[in-house]
Amino acid sequence: EAQVTQNPRYLITVTGKKLTVTCSQNMNHEYMSWYRQDPGLGLRQIYYSMNVEVTDKGDVPEGYKVSRKEKRNFPLILESPSPNQTSLYFCASRRGRASGLFGELFFGEGSRLTVL
Amino acid sequence: DAKTTQPPSMDCAEGRAANLPCNHSTISGNEYVYWYRQIHSQGPQYIIHGLKNNETNEMASLIITEDRKSSTLILPHATLRDTAVYYCIAPKPQGGKLIFGQGTELSVKP
Repeated sequence: EAQVTQNPRYLITVTGKKLTVTCSQNMNHEYMSWYRQDPGLGLRQIYYSMNVEVTDKGDVPEGYKVSRKEKRNFPLILESPSPNQTSLYFCASRRGRASGLFGELFFGEGSRLTVL
Repeated sequence: DAKTTQPPSMDCAEGRAANLPCNHSTISGNEYVYWYRQIHSQGPQYIIHGLKNNETNEMASLIITEDRKSSTLILPHATLRDTAVYYCIAPKPQGGKLIFGQGTELSVKP
């Protein structure tokens, strides 16, 4: 089954304790991206990756790191989490660009993170 | 990305058509319009996309105005399960950055 898998789905942690949210897709997609969702603010893009070893900032990258060493995985790293990073996080992927077409995004089920 | 504007909320009676508008007046000629929906706090789900012709699939219809400055997503017979937040986006085809905005919260009422 084609899917984007995020782990953990729920996490409560404390300020300053490094954590990683993993994202894996089994569709051989080139493009992957991370979003956070907060009440009243919709979905905001954190980082995206056009392919292996190619990453770039979205609208809200501060406090986050990413890496893309393999095509299927795109982990989101919070080196020193703070309470303002309490949010619902989504990972998404899509296949490479067909001519003139951005392509359909496939989203994971979300990771709810609470930083105390 | 072209900036998109959607009403924050809409109501629809069960069984009636839900017409969700989206304004994208700055859209470029090669930017498609995509619609997604998010039920409760699940991951958003792709619905439909189009460039300039009207499109229909098993989930919905998409009507794009001739000048491409706006579009309407139509759910022909809304059910309670269609209650969700609907997002309209118009990403650059060669780009990676995406702006979703806050979408329209559709409430389907019995």
